[in-house]
Amino acid sequence: TQLLEQSPQFLSIQEGENLTVYCNSSSVFSSLQWYRQEPGEGPVLLVTVVTGGEVKKLKRLTFQFGDARKDSSLHITAAQPGDTGLYLCAGTPNTGNQFYFGTGTSLTVIP
Amino acid sequence: DSGVTQTPKHLITATGQRVTLRCSPRSGDLSVYWYQQSLDQGLQFLIQYYNGEERAKGNILERFSAQQFPDLHSELNLSSLELGDSALYFCASSPPSRTEAFFGQGTRLTVV
Repeated sequence: TQLLEQSPQFLSIQEGENLTVYCNSSSVFSSLQWYRQEPGEGPVLLVTVVTGGEVKKLKRLTFQFGDARKDSSLHITAAQPGDTGLYLCAGTPNTGNQFYFGTGTSLTVIP
Repeated sequence: DSGVTQTPKHLITATGQRVTLRCSPRSGDLSVYWYQQSLDQGLQFLIQYYNGEERAKGNILERFSAQQFPDLHSELNLSSLELGDSALYFCASSPPSRTEAFFGQGTRLTVV
């Protein structure tokens, strides 16, 4: 069982559509990060959410941290082909030192 | 550019051999993490060092070992290589008292 479960695992949508990716855990995190990884490249940090209920916007991307700090979501508005990639949530639970990655969501935006 | 440097970028070697992957963290970062990513797989955590000391251990095989040196660069040693060890190996670093990780470009290891 993974500490951070993401859904959906795969997502294929048309350009211009909206989508939401979810990251869930039974553990409490002091913060969660979202990364995007393109094939053959290292993950690139998009955002860190720290406060329960926090909402952060990055252009067409909106990130939310759950009130209980056990979950997070990423919403993309009007998806573009350049948004294609593997989206990963990650963080260190309050109970440990290890940095965990989520199971990942592979997004394909079709022109 | 994340500031994390990994060398080499590509490595092809035969089964049974031993290789060393090198990572230079971002200036000021004390933590170094190593991850393995096989084809179409997620990032598998191997090991974390903080300021020269091992801090956390993940699914790292006994044939693999790592260390972090006084100048904070890290090396991942892979020995008795098997075909299944072919993967992308990523190093990441994070600053003190922060949880974000910044990744290098990875080393693509191919075992033939």
